[in-house]
Amino acid sequence: NAGVTQTPKFQVLKTGQSMTLQCAQDMNHEYMSWYRQDPGMGLRLIHYSVGAGITDQGEVPNGYNVSRSTTEDFPLRLLSAAPSQTSVYFCASSQNTGTGISGANVLTFGAGSRLTVL
Amino acid sequence: KQEVTQIPAALSVPEGENLVLNCSFTDSAIYNLQWFRQDPGKGLTSLLLIQSSQREQTSGRLNASLDKSSGRSTLYIAASQPGDSATYLCAVKPGGFKTIFGAGTRLFVKA
Repeated sequence: NAGVTQTPKFQVLKTGQSMTLQCAQDMNHEYMSWYRQDPGMGLRLIHYSVGAGITDQGEVPNGYNVSRSTTEDFPLRLLSAAPSQTSVYFCASSQNTGTGISGANVLTFGAGSRLTVL
Repeated sequence: KQEVTQIPAALSVPEGENLVLNCSFTDSAIYNLQWFRQDPGKGLTSLLLIQSSQREQTSGRLNASLDKSSGRSTLYIAASQPGDSATYLCAVKPGGFKTIFGAGTRLFVKA
């Protein structure tokens, strides 16, 4: 089925460890993004990309790196995990980012990755 | 800085009731507004998207309205059902490449 696929679904890390959350979409979407969701705080944007080779920071980028070498993939790297990074992470994509057909701006989300840092 | 607020944080209603969920945003300069549904442990599913030039959008029993000048949107759910129980999130796109989310309203529809 077409959509956004995130792996892993669950992960437990120790403080200081590094890891990569994977995100892949098969809809040829230009725009991809990573959010974290914490209780009572809604979703906060970590990083986003408007196309292969182009990334930028969102609201809460510290401690995370991203890259976009292909249209399909947008991995999120935790460089040195901290307990404050315990959260549920969502990857989302849309066809494009600009003006034009409204449906092209609808965000499609993955199922989420639940990360616990001890 | 754009902020999105959803009140109430939680709502419990009996089955069959019509209900309204509220969303407010601080900066009226938005490109679009989206309503999402999130089931426990799952990702978000887009319900409705309203462009800044539109006043409302409808899908089945759902109707979303947008009043940019007052910084408000409502999601109206007609004849609620237990299957509507979920968290509903509102999100605005101020332009550029970022979408700003509210914290959501958790809805419980009692059978």
